[in-house]
Amino acid sequence: KAGVTQTPRYLIKTRGQQVTLSCSPISGHRSVSWYQQTPGQGLQFLFEYFSETQRNKGNFPGRFSGRQFSNSRSEMNVSTLELGDSALYLCASRRETNTGELFFGEGSRLTVL
Amino acid sequence: EDQVTQSPEALRLQEGESSSLNCSYTVSGLRGLFWYRQDPGKGPEFLFTLYSAGEEKEKERLKATLTKKESFLHITAPKPEDSATYLCAVLTYGSARQLTFGSGTQLTVLP
Repeated sequence: KAGVTQTPRYLIKTRGQQVTLSCSPISGHRSVSWYQQTPGQGLQFLFEYFSETQRNKGNFPGRFSGRQFSNSRSEMNVSTLELGDSALYLCASRRETNTGELFFGEGSRLTVL
Repeated sequence: EDQVTQSPEALRLQEGESSSLNCSYTVSGLRGLFWYRQDPGKGPEFLFTLYSAGEEKEKERLKATLTKKESFLHITAPKPEDSATYLCAVLTYGSARQLTFGSGTQLTVLP
């Protein structure tokens, strides 16, 4: 069974640019969540999508957005990048939203210069 | 607001030296507590789910326990391959079904 796949794995951007990250969940999983992980803040919840609808959103500015497609694949976008956006962005899928058993991808490492 | 605190932040053990990691939580209405392992440069990997005080789960050299205020991850006779960051997270009835993660314990097992 294929795991959660995230692309790209690494990327470098400059301030002011925008970036789009992609996530393919485990087959059959309809929920996709996005997390930002930094050494200082740990794992912080960005948002969750279930059946193409955003279910929850964390405390991040509107520059962070996402969407989910009918095949459950998800994308997140960060516009007007800031230096502080440098982080590991993790996608996680789960079959339903009642479980805390998340399956994470390996992440997309974003560096903003 | 749900709070999860893990201690210690970092732990260095000799191979074979058993120890415990702590995860204390302050929540209203615990639905479940979860342990994850994260290797450098990778996403967290699910280890255990605990639902009620007194519950225990085991996997190889790891055993997780739960009380009403905290959870412990006991590591018996660790090996270097157990080196990783261990994260705990809680799911509560009032959290809109979102996990709240602790900041993790970075475990290093020296050969």
